[in-house]
Amino acid sequence: DIRVTQSPSSLSASVGDRVTITCQASQDIANYLNWYQQKPGQAPKILIYDASNLKIGVPSRFSGSGSGTHFSLTITSLQPEDIATYYCQQFDNLLPGTFGQGTKLEIK
Amino acid sequence: EVQLLQSGGGLIQPGGSLRLSCAVSGFSVRNSYMSWVRQAPGKGPEWVSVIYSGGTTYNADSVKGRFSISRDNSKDTLFLQMNNLRIEDTAVYYCARIQTSLAYYFDFWGQGTLVTVSS
Repeated sequence: DIRVTQSPSSLSASVGDRVTITCQASQDIANYLNWYQQKPGQAPKILIYDASNLKIGVPSRFSGSGSGTHFSLTITSLQPEDIATYYCQQFDNLLPGTFGQGTKLEIK
Repeated sequence: EVQLLQSGGGLIQPGGSLRLSCAVSGFSVRNSYMSWVRQAPGKGPEWVSVIYSGGTTYNADSVKGRFSISRDNSKDTLFLQMNNLRIEDTAVYYCARIQTSLAYYFDFWGQGTLVTVSS
């Protein structure tokens, strides 16, 4: 089974900061890596699919990059409403694959 | 408007059974890849079961032989039958649609329902 390791597990940043979260896959997954945002009491929400494609309606301050085994999610100019937990997730041969352990983002 | 409305869940003793339902609107379950995803307290999400549009189903190893996913096309409803429940099955369970046209990702989710397995 493919594993995805996400880091850091938590992050504190100030409004306006640039924030980067990374995700490493245990084997080459090409660009089959998605990023979700989850706020307390809510279901996860898709932000980025296939590593770098921004879902329609998601603010352009969110971006994704990477391929193979190393991926990142970047938020330029952090906003108060971005406080949430972020997860990476991969699809493996059409089966929903594993989610990362999550990165809890807080305002400093 | 796409909606996924879940029902079922609650407190159940170890070894018991429970059935979750997910009634969808705005699309058809028969033409979609659908999944159940769970999230234990303080943990990341974990996919549990998936049913493809053609009817093929898969279950995660952690629930194989105990859980089964099914659907009622006439009622656009997805089900998760959970048998021989264990304490470690305690989680919020979500139904979710898998987007497949451009890429594969979970695009719509139900509101979640808490399943607590405890004696």
